[in-house]
Amino acid sequence: DTAVSQTPKYLVTQMGNDKSIKCEQNLGHDTMYWYKQDSKKFLKIMFSYNNKELIINETVPNRFSPKSPDKAHLNLHINSLELGDSAVYFCASSQATTATQYFGPGTRLTVL
Amino acid sequence: AQKVTQAQTEISVVEKEDVTLDCVYETRDTTYYLFWYKQPPSGELVFLIRRNSFDEQNEISGRYSWNFQKSTSSFNFTITASQVVDSAVYFCALSVFTGTASKLTFGTGTRLQVTL
Repeated sequence: DTAVSQTPKYLVTQMGNDKSIKCEQNLGHDTMYWYKQDSKKFLKIMFSYNNKELIINETVPNRFSPKSPDKAHLNLHINSLELGDSAVYFCASSQATTATQYFGPGTRLTVL
Repeated sequence: AQKVTQAQTEISVVEKEDVTLDCVYETRDTTYYLFWYKQPPSGELVFLIRRNSFDEQNEISGRYSWNFQKSTSSFNFTITASQVVDSAVYFCALSVFTGTASKLTFGTGTRLQVTL
């Protein structure tokens, strides 16, 4: 059983387009996250939601908008894609009472 | 602010050698968590271990062991008798728990290459 899943795994698109990445977890966790891993493998948090409420919002362009319809899902919508948005995006989840985050397989976004 | 430093960018060893990956962290919080994650060539991030700041006991899991020393702000990871399957990028991370979410601050990773 997949614990944290993301779709799609690969996303290739043109500059200026709008795209979404979906994330679902079946671990029963109440907190979900989005991280960005750049071409140098550096991982940085973007957002965190706890029970559908935005908890962490790092310095991310407002073209990025997370949406959490319920505590098992956290989607990432990106408007007006730019070349610099090319990266691997990881979703993660944890239980608020613990700190261990479990990661999805990642979505490799390529903007042409 | 939290900071994690992994000074070793790349390490190459021959199979069966022991290897230690270094991690040094900075935080002003007294309660925090330290982690190691493995990222194999397939790209996923695999959780290996979590340690909280009050537990300095070293841990061993099979060929893996971790040495946590608050006095030097270090959380080093040793692989004994390395194998080719250990080839991956290893990330050390630190989080400070806010009560509803924890923000992981990652080091830059150490790429371990194990060859035959």
